[in-house]
Amino acid sequence: NAGVTQTPKFQVLKTGQSMTLQCAQDMNHEYMSWYRQDPGMGLRLIHYSVGAGITDQGEVPNGYNVSRSTTEDFPLRLLSAAPSQTSVYFCASTPDGGAYTEAFFGQGTRLTVV
Amino acid sequence: AQSVTQLDSQVPVFEEAPVELRCNYSSSVSVYLFWYVQYPNQGLQLLLKYLSGSTLVKGINGFEAEFNKSQTSFHLRKPSVHISDTAEYFCAVRNAGNNRKLIWGLGTSLAVNP
Repeated sequence: NAGVTQTPKFQVLKTGQSMTLQCAQDMNHEYMSWYRQDPGMGLRLIHYSVGAGITDQGEVPNGYNVSRSTTEDFPLRLLSAAPSQTSVYFCASTPDGGAYTEAFFGQGTRLTVV
Repeated sequence: AQSVTQLDSQVPVFEEAPVELRCNYSSSVSVYLFWYVQYPNQGLQLLLKYLSGSTLVKGINGFEAEFNKSQTSFHLRKPSVHISDTAEYFCAVRNAGNNRKLIWGLGTSLAVNP
């Protein structure tokens, strides 16, 4: 039972480079989200999606793009990496109703921008 | 607007001592409440949740939490901690119903010392 899978686990980028953080879930959850975690700042929501074809901004969306072409995948794109985007990124998915109401998290991607 | 306050950013405690991690929230509607744990260099996993019913909720690893509606609190407790409980603990709230967006506290770092 894979749950939420994030790749890569670690990445170093140079300022100005672009990259995509991958997130896939096999639980058929409609709701998916991306967070960044920085020391002393907890989890901050970057973007989220309530279903395939529907995305919306969270509290810190600048510098990031998302798309949701399938229920399973929710990639996060950094268009032009900046040192301020050095962080740990988490993807999460949440079921629609039913007995489970909690978010399920991936293991995270640790990104360093130099 | 909803908010979550974790009253202690760091809690040092000796092994086998009791511990309480405090969480207060503000919301004008019915909520679901969650505690997540993050072990070093890992993703977040659900510790316990309150949806409705009994205000005392038991979770994994011997943790429990009590929902107090009048105090708008959801404090986490363990009667006797172990070294392995050293981790970051996050309190989160979301509206009861279909809105699955989570509001997070900033986290409490629990350090269990021998």
